[in-house]
Amino acid sequence: QVQLQQWGAGLLKPSETLSLTCGVDGGPFSNYYWTWIRQSPGKGLDWIGDIWHSGSTRYNWSVRSRVTMSVDTSRNRFSLIVNSVTAADTAVYYCVLTIIGVDDYWGRGTLVTVSS
Amino acid sequence: QSALTQPASVSGSPGQPITISCTGTSSDVGAYNFVSWYQHHPGKAPKLIIYDVTNRPAGVSNRFFGSKSGNTASLTIFGLQAEDEADYYCSSHTVSNTRIFGGGTKVTVL
Repeated sequence: QVQLQQWGAGLLKPSETLSLTCGVDGGPFSNYYWTWIRQSPGKGLDWIGDIWHSGSTRYNWSVRSRVTMSVDTSRNRFSLIVNSVTAADTAVYYCVLTIIGVDDYWGRGTLVTVSS
Repeated sequence: QSALTQPASVSGSPGQPITISCTGTSSDVGAYNFVSWYQHHPGKAPKLIIYDVTNRPAGVSNRFFGSKSGNTASLTIFGLQAEDEADYYCSSHTVSNTRIFGGGTKVTVL
């Protein structure tokens, strides 16, 4: 059974750097990609970006200047970096592993609060 | 890019069918058959229930039915049950090689 665990700092000050990592138990996988999705308080889901098994990335235009995603396939981990955070980045962040044509597997979510 | 348009809320009685619409443009929903639907119970992680417009992952009830016509995708839940009360989100790939979500629909079982 595929399970994802997430970890990273949950409280940041404005201008600091958000760093989250997602690890997966299970695999190996073929034809898959990783995604980060967030949900701000009282709002809907927001796609941040994804990174494919080939290493190629896609980012939401609204955050692409501040976001970096990376993957360590040897350790089955992928990471999200968001620079220069503001209160608008306060959200629950989810990591997702998509096995194309099969299913999604979601982490439990990490609440990140940006406050001075 | 603007979010896909979903009704804020839909309600129905147990056993009845309900349909949630997801309206985009020719640059997203209308461009590809890459529309997904998610069920989200508050406090839990969202769950994929439909992918590629019509496909259900293994283990998802066949009461969930996805379809698309032009720039609008739809999720129909047949035989509505109390456990279906949740928020539902659609998502689509776009011609800009990004992905976009709908604003979400709260489903209430009367």
